[in-house]
Amino acid sequence: RKEVEQDPGPFNVPEGATVAFNCTYSNSASQSFFWYRQDCRKEPKLLMSVYSSGNEDGRFTAQLNRASQYISLLIRDSKLSDSATYLCVEPSGGYQKVTFGTGTKLQVIP
Amino acid sequence: EPEVTQTPSHQVTQMGQEVILRCVPISNHLYFYWYRQILGQKVEFLVSFYNNEISEKSEIFDDQFSVERPDGSNFTLKIRSTKLEDSAMYFCASRVGEDGYTFGSGTRLTVV
Repeated sequence: RKEVEQDPGPFNVPEGATVAFNCTYSNSASQSFFWYRQDCRKEPKLLMSVYSSGNEDGRFTAQLNRASQYISLLIRDSKLSDSATYLCVEPSGGYQKVTFGTGTKLQVIP
Repeated sequence: EPEVTQTPSHQVTQMGQEVILRCVPISNHLYFYWYRQILGQKVEFLVSFYNNEISEKSEIFDDQFSVERPDGSNFTLKIRSTKLEDSAMYFCASRVGEDGYTFGSGTRLTVV
């Protein structure tokens, strides 16, 4: 069974800290992923895509390690507004099927 | 910014009743999806739809579920005979390429 695994947390970090989450996956053929964030009782919102070349957007950096079958998300200079659940998402079947991780909860504290 | 619109935002129904959840995907998107999220649990894929037919469906999407695109804009999810365990947030999503899925704000379904 193909799964996407995440540490549920919560990760409690002070404002300004750097925090990193990992997500492991079991389908060795997967080549692309997404990180989404989800606020409480809201819809998931796309944060960034992750391919073998990695991706960086401001304070956020995502990497894909195909050899060890995990993806990572690094958040630098954490803001209070970064508090959310971060979801690892694996598309498959030509993006027709999607598997979500359980999410990692981040709480940034003042 | 284009949005995926879902109605209603909250639906309460009695067990055994039929419900139809409605979605208006982003107009130039070609692929449509339904997901559900039971409170406190992870988002689960239900079904994908392309070119007026189902592309993929999960084990959850049994004979009680159906999807339809009755016109050029709406995308609906029907649950024929609701059970208590169908209570969840239902998200519609759409995409056009490989840039990710855009989600609607969801319909909270409560079965009593």
